[in-house]
Amino acid sequence: QKEVEQDPGPLSVPEGAIVSLNCTYSNSAFQYFMWYRQYSRKGPELLMYTYSSGNKEDGRFTAQVDKSSKYISLFIRDSQPSDSATYLCAPPNQAGTALIFGKGTTLSVSS
Amino acid sequence: NAGVTQTPKFRVLKTGQSMTLLCAQDMNHEYMYWYRQDPGMGLRLIHYSVGEGTTAKGEVPDGYNVSRLKKQNFLLGLESAAPSQTSVYFCASSYRAGGAKNTDTQYFGPGTRLTVL
Repeated sequence: QKEVEQDPGPLSVPEGAIVSLNCTYSNSAFQYFMWYRQYSRKGPELLMYTYSSGNKEDGRFTAQVDKSSKYISLFIRDSQPSDSATYLCAPPNQAGTALIFGKGTTLSVSS
Repeated sequence: NAGVTQTPKFRVLKTGQSMTLLCAQDMNHEYMYWYRQDPGMGLRLIHYSVGEGTTAKGEVPDGYNVSRLKKQNFLLGLESAAPSQTSVYFCASSYRAGGAKNTDTQYFGPGTRLTVL
């Protein structure tokens, strides 16, 4: 089993929809998770950061971690066409020397 | 403050040719990384460095070499390019890793698109 898995999509939604992006992980030692957003033909950039328990909200974005099922979710409220991008979840590796990136989920929001 | 820059932005090589990709950061970060990104494969770590003069292998190091002679620069070399190395290469840097958001956030460059014929 890969350490981090994401459904690649693509996921297509209309403007204003609530979007749920998911990530599963195998290593219960992960202490935190980062969500990166990558626009087409650009480098990834940090979107959100959450510890391995509970929820975190930042504007229209909410990150949720369920440690018991090793499941991470990123919710986007009132989705906008500008949210169209690939979303990657990334916990740190066990040695704490690098991030492990999921393959990413591609989201398309149509106006 | 330019952040992370990569040179060149595009390159086409013939099989067997060599080249070096340059990454530079002006944020005084200790950690630097080289990734490749291929369709359906996500970001895969090639090599990384935890400080000047150090390098370590990542997930897919074969066919690549790296050097970190100066803190601000991280070079990725392809000694004998192969078509399987056609990819988009991203460099990233962070203050450190394994700690918290403020220190572990990786900042990425714009990428280098490499095609090997």
